[in-house]
Amino acid sequence: DVKVTQSSRYLVKRTGEKVFLECVQDMDHENMFWYRQDPGLGLRLIYFSYDVKMKEKGDIPEGYSVSREKKERFSLILESASTNQTSMYLCASSLGPARGYTFGSGTRLTVV
Amino acid sequence: QKEVEQNSGPLSVPEGAIASLNCTYSDRVSQSFFWYRQYSGKSPELIMSIYSNGDKEDGRFTAQLNKASQYVSLLIRDSQPSDSATYLCAVDSSAGGTSYGKLTFGQGTILTVHP
Repeated sequence: DVKVTQSSRYLVKRTGEKVFLECVQDMDHENMFWYRQDPGLGLRLIYFSYDVKMKEKGDIPEGYSVSREKKERFSLILESASTNQTSMYLCASSLGPARGYTFGSGTRLTVV
Repeated sequence: QKEVEQNSGPLSVPEGAIASLNCTYSDRVSQSFFWYRQYSGKSPELIMSIYSNGDKEDGRFTAQLNKASQYVSLLIRDSQPSDSATYLCAVDSSAGGTSYGKLTFGQGTILTVHP
């Protein structure tokens, strides 16, 4: 089974901090995705990557950046954390179109 | 903006009944459709995928797809309390494009199966 590992299950950060969320997959998947999930708003795509060093903005990229230096690792960066970025962050990877996702266990981030 | 709409729920069914979850999508070129189950506090897990019109069965789960009506559904037969979760419909519109398997999700339907 594909395993997608997110480094932290819970994080508490202060407003203005730079925050790194890490995601690693072990099945050589080309495509990786970062979503946030909020009650009433569902899953919203922040960024995705289709190859090393290649990335595209999703629907809500403002305030975020990403890094993919190695195929197995996709990092989400909150440049200056704000309270409205308090959310559940989900990383996913996919073999390609029409293959669906495997999700990591999620990181619940609280910004105070 | 590609949209995926699910019946808002919550849906409550008695144990042993059939639970019916519905989803419509706006992008006519969509080719791949997925149902994910998400338990409270957990991440979504893939339970069904469907690509062709008609029904696809896997155990107690049946996915139904009607591309002409832009409609996909999930039936859960003999519902169990362990089926209580949020069910997410997801659509992949990669056909003819380069969306890299990017999925658009509905907001989810909360299902409760009571004994």
